[in-house]
Amino acid sequence: KAGVTQTPRYLIKTRGQQVTLSCSPISGHRSVSWYQQTPGQGLQFLFEYFSETQRNKGNFPGRFSGRQFSNSRSEMNVSTLELGDSALYLCASSSGLETGELFFGEGSRLTVL
Amino acid sequence: SQQGEEDPQALSIQEGENATMNCSYKTSINNLQWYRQNSGRGLVHLILIRSNEREKHSGRLRVTLDTSKKSSSLLITASRAADTASYFCATAQGGNKLVFGAGTILRVKS
Repeated sequence: KAGVTQTPRYLIKTRGQQVTLSCSPISGHRSVSWYQQTPGQGLQFLFEYFSETQRNKGNFPGRFSGRQFSNSRSEMNVSTLELGDSALYLCASSSGLETGELFFGEGSRLTVL
Repeated sequence: SQQGEEDPQALSIQEGENATMNCSYKTSINNLQWYRQNSGRGLVHLILIRSNEREKHSGRLRVTLDTSKKSSSLLITASRAADTASYFCATAQGGNKLVFGAGTILRVKS
């Protein structure tokens, strides 16, 4: 069974640009969550999608958005990039509604110059 | 902001020794989970303990939960060099939203 796949793994952008990150969950999983990891703030929850609906949202500005498609694949978008958006963005998938084990991808490392 | 604090921030031990990491949290929880992360890679789920459980074992891992003190501990017995990683506790807030602690960096020297 394939794991959670995130693309791209690494990317470099400049301030003001936008970026789209993709996540393919484990087959059959309907929940996809996104987390941002930085040395200063640690791991922070961005948002969660379940069956194409955003179910939870973290405390991030509106520049951070996401969506989920009917095949459960998810994308997150960050517009008007700032230096502080440099981070490892992790996607996690889960099978059910209740919080249980999350399966994480390897992450997309974004560097903003 | 992060839910919990982890203690210690870093731990260095010899292979074969036991490693104990502690986690405290602030609000009521559905469950508490521990994850491992190898140097900048994805997180790997280790163990989940529900709010009505006090102790759980999985292989060389033992987790305890004290909801009255809002704290948990992870014990890794007979540690190996391959256990070198960062360890995070995470509390479940509903849905699949996890709130992570700051993590403990474990180094196991061979």
